[in-house]
Amino acid sequence: ETGVTQTPRHLVMGMTNKKSLKCEQHLGHNAMYWYKQSAKKPLELMFVYNFKEQTENNSVPSRFSPECPNSSHLFLHLHTLQPEDSALYLCASSQDTQGYTEAFFGQGTRLTVV
Amino acid sequence: KQEVTQIPAALSVPEGENLVLNCSFTDSAIYNLQWFRQDPGKGLTSLLLIQSSQREQTSGRLNASLDKSSGRSTLYIAASQPGDSATYLCAASAGTALIFGKGTTLSVSS
Repeated sequence: ETGVTQTPRHLVMGMTNKKSLKCEQHLGHNAMYWYKQSAKKPLELMFVYNFKEQTENNSVPSRFSPECPNSSHLFLHLHTLQPEDSALYLCASSQDTQGYTEAFFGQGTRLTVV
Repeated sequence: KQEVTQIPAALSVPEGENLVLNCSFTDSAIYNLQWFRQDPGKGLTSLLLIQSSQREQTSGRLNASLDKSSGRSTLYIAASQPGDSATYLCAASAGTALIFGKGTTLSVSS
């Protein structure tokens, strides 16, 4: 596989459930990102990882917990979510976080919280 | 704080027309500007990347320009086709991540 792959593509979960989103990149990049896309809003940055280290948390509630075991894999662990957390969650990667490099996105996970 | 605005929010054109999508940003201190395409319910596909030192980039029927001093970028689509129907997003890189506009939803009718 090439590019950035996200699983699952769709997820429905109750407010008391615990689930995880997975992202894998096959581009040899060192930086990975989680973005949230809600209806009528621009994409919002959630977390940034560079060489497995979290470098940015954009004031995200603690019910979202990221994990980056290596430069190729990124997870977003979800627990006790709210209905307003329903959105498209997008993972992205880039060569580094210097700002000059191109970002590549996955197909996203459509999350519905019921 | 960087803000990115895209106008218009939606655009409908007949097949074959040439069209321009607009993107403006408030802070000219950007590293690059990227244009993406997003089909309904899908992820983002990178179309063009313009570095801050460049004025334009071309890929096939697409041409993107960048004017840092005025805080503007345009995406020109030549000879539009129904397959071009999608939402087009621009994003400015001002540091560790991208700042996105809300997008322009394009509909091309045959």
